[in-house]
Amino acid sequence: QVDLVQSGGGVVQPGSSLRLSCAASGFTFSTSAMHWVRQPPGRGLKWVAIISFDGSNIQYADSVKGRFTISRDNSKNTVYLQMNSLRAEDTAVYYCATPGHPWGQGTRVTVSS
Amino acid sequence: EIVLTQSPDLQSVTPKEKVTITCRASQSIGRSLHWYQQKPDQSPKLLIKYASQSISGVPSRFSGSGSGTDFTLTINSLEAEDAAVYYCHQSSSLVWTFGQGTKVEIK
Repeated sequence: QVDLVQSGGGVVQPGSSLRLSCAASGFTFSTSAMHWVRQPPGRGLKWVAIISFDGSNIQYADSVKGRFTISRDNSKNTVYLQMNSLRAEDTAVYYCATPGHPWGQGTRVTVSS
Repeated sequence: EIVLTQSPDLQSVTPKEKVTITCRASQSIGRSLHWYQQKPDQSPKLLIKYASQSISGVPSRFSGSGSGTDFTLTINSLEAEDAAVYYCHQSSSLVWTFGQGTKVEIK
């Protein structure tokens, strides 16, 4: 059974940093691309970033490029999202996901002064 | 970027009625189209993957069809617990995109 367990998140001030983690089990993590998706309050789903199975191909949404960094540790079956220079508009629930499988439970990030 | 357009935006239906939601892609995506159900304060739940593949544990009244640019989610004999927002999502490109969502409410 595929399981993506997320951690991290919280309430921070603008300009702060946070790191989200997503621990995977139930599938071959080391051969799977991983994504982060976010959902602002009351809004739809927006893709944030992708990292290929080996970390060689990384892409970001324009809204987070230069501020967020996606990475992975295949020895720990974990993907990360380092979020720097956070803005109010980054406030959202963040989900980790891999194609064709259930998503993580989501972690809330609130950026507010 | 591949744009996904869902219709309708809102569907108000009575229990046991059949619901059909469509999702149109701005370019061909093969069968790399997935459907999710989201209830308030819950994470999106995968209903159908790769256009028509069923998911273990999802009731059989949910089904999907289509390929290329046009896709359909069908809910046969709607139940009250199916009230939710439904999203389509494409994984054909590395940059994922999502439909805007269809809210299904119970009359």
